Amino acid sequence: NAGVTQTPKFQVLKTGQSMTLQCAQDMNHNSMYWYRQDPGMGLRLIYYSASEGTTDKGEVPNGYNVSRLNKREFSLRLESAAPSQTSVYFCASSVGQGTGYTFGSGTRLTVV
Amino acid sequence: AQRVTQPEKLLSVFKGAPVELKCNYSYSGSPELFWYVQYSRQRLQLLLRHISRESIKGFTADLNKGETSFHLKKPFAQEEDSAMYYCALSATNYGQNFVFGPGTRLSVLP
Repeated sequence: NAGVTQTPKFQVLKTGQSMTLQCAQDMNHNSMYWYRQDPGMGLRLIYYSASEGTTDKGEVPNGYNVSRLNKREFSLRLESAAPSQTSVYFCASSVGQGTGYTFGSGTRLTVV
Repeated sequence: AQRVTQPEKLLSVFKGAPVELKCNYSYSGSPELFWYVQYSRQRLQLLLRHISRESIKGFTADLNKGETSFHLKKPFAQEEDSAMYYCALSATNYGQNFVFGPGTRLSVLP
C-alpha cells in the first residue's frame, strides 16, 4: 500500500533543461495536485486535476505543464527550468476536492 | 481573497509546557480548516480537521468564526512534537482546493 509515490526524490538541473516529475497514487483517488514548498511561503498550488481527464491552473502555474495520464498518474513538466523553480515539489491526492490530502514524499529540485 | 496566515515562523517551548500555534484565515464562505504536520524528512500528513472535532496526539483545534481563527493547542508539549505545522483552508478559488499558510516550525526543548 504505497499511497502517493513521487519520482525522482532529488534532481539537479541546469538552467534551460527540461524534466518531468512523476506522481502515482494507488488509492483510487479522483483528485490530484502539485504543490511547491518554499521557505516562508508554505505550499502553493501549481496545478490540479479534479478528476481524470481534467487539469486546471493553481496559484503559480507559469513555467509548468501537467498531464493527467490516467486516474493513477499526474505528471508535472518543466519545459525550460529556471533557478526560480528551485523548490521542493509535492504531489498529493484526495478522494474529492475539499477532502483531506495524502501527500507524496516530495522531490527536491535544484536549478543551477 | 482566501488567505491563511500563521504569524509565527518559529515557536520554541520547553517540554511539558503548553503550546499554541496560531492560524487566522480570511474567507467569505463557510470554511473548512485543517492542520497538517511535517516531521523532519517526512511527508506532510493530516493532523486534524475541524469538522471532526477530534484530538490527535493530544492536539486540538477549535474553529472560531468570530475571530476567523483555528489555533492548534496542546496542554503539554513533547519533544517528538517538534515539526513544521501548516494550517490549511479548503477554498473555492481553485476548485475548492487547499490554501496553505506559510507554516510554523515548532521546537520543543528538553
